[in-house]
Formats: sequence, structure tokens, C-alpha cells
Amino acid sequence: QVQLVESGGGLVEPGGSLRLSCAASGFTFSQYYMSWLRQAPGKGLEWVSYISSSGTTISYADSVKGRFTISRDNAKNSLSLQMNNLRGEDTAVYYCVGGDYYFWDGYRQRGGMGVWGQGTTVTVSS
Amino acid sequence: QSVLTQPPSASGTPGQRVTISCSGSSSNIGRYTVHWYQQVPGTTPRLLINVHNQRPSGVPDRFSGSTTGASASLAISGLQFEDAADYYCATWDDGLSGWVFGGGTKLTVL
Repeated sequence: QVQLVESGGGLVEPGGSLRLSCAASGFTFSQYYMSWLRQAPGKGLEWVSYISSSGTTISYADSVKGRFTISRDNAKNSLSLQMNNLRGEDTAVYYCVGGDYYFWDGYRQRGGMGVWGQGTTVTVSS
Repeated sequence: QSVLTQPPSASGTPGQRVTISCSGSSSNIGRYTVHWYQQVPGTTPRLLINVHNQRPSGVPDRFSGSTTGASASLAISGLQFEDAADYYCATWDDGLSGWVFGGGTKLTVL
């Protein structure tokens, strides 16, 4: 079945690093855009980073720009998020999510995020 | 402070119709279609309404979305106790080159 499985979360001290991984199965990963979202305790959903299906287009939320790096390996059906210089405000459940594209008025558009991982918890604390 | 604005809470009784609003701007809702997500407490969010008001498999037709200008809304008809959850609107934003979300609306079924 369609599945995303995250790993790599844990407890890290401020200033430390973590690498999150996401393994995809059950769908054509190379045709999906992917994103990382996060949800701090008791808070709403926040977008962290985006990568297009081919990996050529990448973007980051201002709150993580310069500290986080997203990447994907379509041959291995995997997505990663390298997180450096972590801060307390990065504490959250991190979700790997994916969506497909559709065509509208002749242009390729991003559909909704229909595939979700179960989330991995990152805690930044001394 | 979320880019998209939703009311923090909404409520209704079983059988009622409830709407949740989502307000944005010309760089997001005014340009791209909105999708809605449902998060039942303690669970992972799921896509509830896809672009152009399409419902993923398994989502009842009691849920529907609409957009006018830079605002969107989610309507739930025939409200059921199982609809109690947090609801989020989202879309792409050209200025941020990324996804933007509403702050979420907590729906209580009385």
C-alpha cells in the first residue's frame, strides 16, 4: 500500500544536528513532489521545505533557511532532511508528505498533499 | 502568525451544517487552489479536500470546499460526532515559494 516511513528523530542539544529520512513505497515516488512539514506541541501545521519530483526545484521556510537541506534519491525512493544548528523552536513532530501534479489550463500544477508519513519527533533541549 | 487566516474554533450539533473560512491574499488563494486537511486528535493529518473540490477516496460527500477571490471555505453538512477534529486550509504561495497553512480550526460537535 501507499506508505511513507520517517526515521531519524530524537533528542538533540541546541546547536546540534539531525538527519531525517523518509522511505516511500506503494506509489511512483519519482512523479511526486515531496515536502517536510512540522507540528510543534499543541500547535498547527507548518511547512518546512519543498522539493519537486525531479529535485530541480527546492525551497525552504524562512525559519529554517540556511540551516536545513532537503534532498531526494528517486532511484532509492527516499527523501532526506539534514538539520543543522538546531534550536529549541525546531522541536516538533516532522512529517514527510507527498503529492502529485495535475494539468490545468495547460500548466502543470501541484495537487494536495495526499500521502503522509506517521511523523518522527525531534526534541531540541539541553 | 499564519499566512492564511482561519477561525480558531467552530461548533455544531449532529445533523447541522457548519462552514469554516480561510482567508488569504492574491499571492496564494487568489492564484492557487486550496486544499483542506483533517486531523483527528492524536492522529496524523489527512487530505480531506483536494484541489478543485475533489475528495480523495473514502471522504464522504458531506465535505465540500469552495473559493471566492482570495477566500475559501469548507462546508460540512449532516455533522457527525466523528467529524470532531482540527481542520487546516493550505495552498501554494508565490511570494514564499512554498506551502502556506491556516492556523487551524478546532471543530466541536456538541
